[in-house]
Amino acid sequence: ETGVTQTPRHLVMGMTNKKSLKCEQHLGHNAMYWYKQSAKKPLELMFVYNFKEQTENNSVPSRFSPECPNSSHLFLHLHTLQPEDSALYLCASSQGTSGEEQFFGPGTRLTVL
Amino acid sequence: GEDVEQSLFLSVREGDSSVINCTYTDSSSTYLYWYKQEPGAGLQLLTYIFSNMDMKQDQRLTVLLNKKDKHLSLRIADTQTGDSAIYFCAETPALFSGGYNKLIFGAGTRLAVHP
Repeated sequence: ETGVTQTPRHLVMGMTNKKSLKCEQHLGHNAMYWYKQSAKKPLELMFVYNFKEQTENNSVPSRFSPECPNSSHLFLHLHTLQPEDSALYLCASSQGTSGEEQFFGPGTRLTVL
Repeated sequence: GEDVEQSLFLSVREGDSSVINCTYTDSSSTYLYWYKQEPGAGLQLLTYIFSNMDMKQDQRLTVLLNKKDKHLSLRIADTQTGDSAIYFCAETPALFSGGYNKLIFGAGTRLAVHP
């Protein structure tokens, strides 16, 4: 257990569906992240929130919409996704300024049909 | 630009040493990390090294940093079947004012340990 939980662990959706991924951290951290992990590719940073404010959007398509209602929760809202969006979506958190470690959740395995 | 490269696959016999290599391009990196990902799990920090260090040892793990060649390696002594996983190299660029820890990851090296 890393102190970062993600739900659901697996999700299958059609291209016209709307779904949301949830991440919660119990570590008292200030920064939270969404990453996309595809096979044989480096982890892609998608979004960063620091003190609930979005500080980075790494050229992510608008069909991915993040939400950070407080410093412990992070959502990724999904709509009209494409099959190439199928991947493992990882959430992480960090204290924010230590430069030492990000703590990762187990990920949500997303399949878009 | 920032780029981290790793070979994708390594196979070793149980009891042997494993050496996983990584190269990076950002000469201003401050921290360099090794993360481990087991099947069905997220990434877990194994160890890290600050850029002004050449070596760090932690039980079976030895990290070597060659800053001149921008080369990082992770040596696992007496490799066990439980070490089978994907190992990610990552670096943090020079400190910036964003207030969060930006990590640049490699694609990961899949380590397979066989009897």
